[in-house]
Amino acid sequence: DAMVIQNPRYQVTQFGKPVTLSCSQTLNHNVMYWYQQKSSQAPKLLFHYYDKDFNNEADTPDNFQSRRPNTSFCFLDIRSPGLGDAAMYLCATTRGGPTNEKLFFGSGTQLSVL
Amino acid sequence: KQEVTQIPAALSVPEGENLVLNCSFTDSAIYNLQWFRQDPGKGLTSLLLIQSSQREQTSGRLNASLDKSSGRSTLYIAASQPGDSATYLCAVDPGTYKYIFGTGTRLKVLA
Repeated sequence: DAMVIQNPRYQVTQFGKPVTLSCSQTLNHNVMYWYQQKSSQAPKLLFHYYDKDFNNEADTPDNFQSRRPNTSFCFLDIRSPGLGDAAMYLCATTRGGPTNEKLFFGSGTQLSVL
Repeated sequence: KQEVTQIPAALSVPEGENLVLNCSFTDSAIYNLQWFRQDPGKGLTSLLLIQSSQREQTSGRLNASLDKSSGRSTLYIAASQPGDSATYLCAVDPGTYKYIFGTGTRLKVLA
């Protein structure tokens, strides 16, 4: 019954080898987010989409890209992972619109870079 | 630039104790504030959402308050249980859907 699903749960990649993380949602929410969370730190917003409108944070490295081909799916591409990109990557959704609603998170993908 | 701070960073309490977790933010122009729970190695679960026009929200043993003018929110947990052990994070939305998170308070409830 998971509503925000992230795959894979754990991802190991090599330094410099491109990797893609995926997120899907069954909530039909307009807004989808990618957050990066390192150990004992606050989740850091990388991007968010409102429908197809893409919003990139000013300090998100160019190495990180995102795609949202439809309402349900969103992908995070890391073109050349460095050791500093090892982290938990969290996908979240919210309905958007005039009413405030809760954020729903997936279980996260723990990325290791060797 | 909005900054969110949570104090204390960690807290241990005996089972049954009532406790208060604190969240402060530097810019009072927020749209809403949410409190989340995060278990180790997992995603976040939203516990309570307080609209900017509200003063508090309650869900079961949890009560969250918001004082926008002073830039503070508190999460009150009544009759704490070992199952409440987790990290609790607060996040503010400045109205652009760009939620800004605090670093959290790591709570341990001792049986």
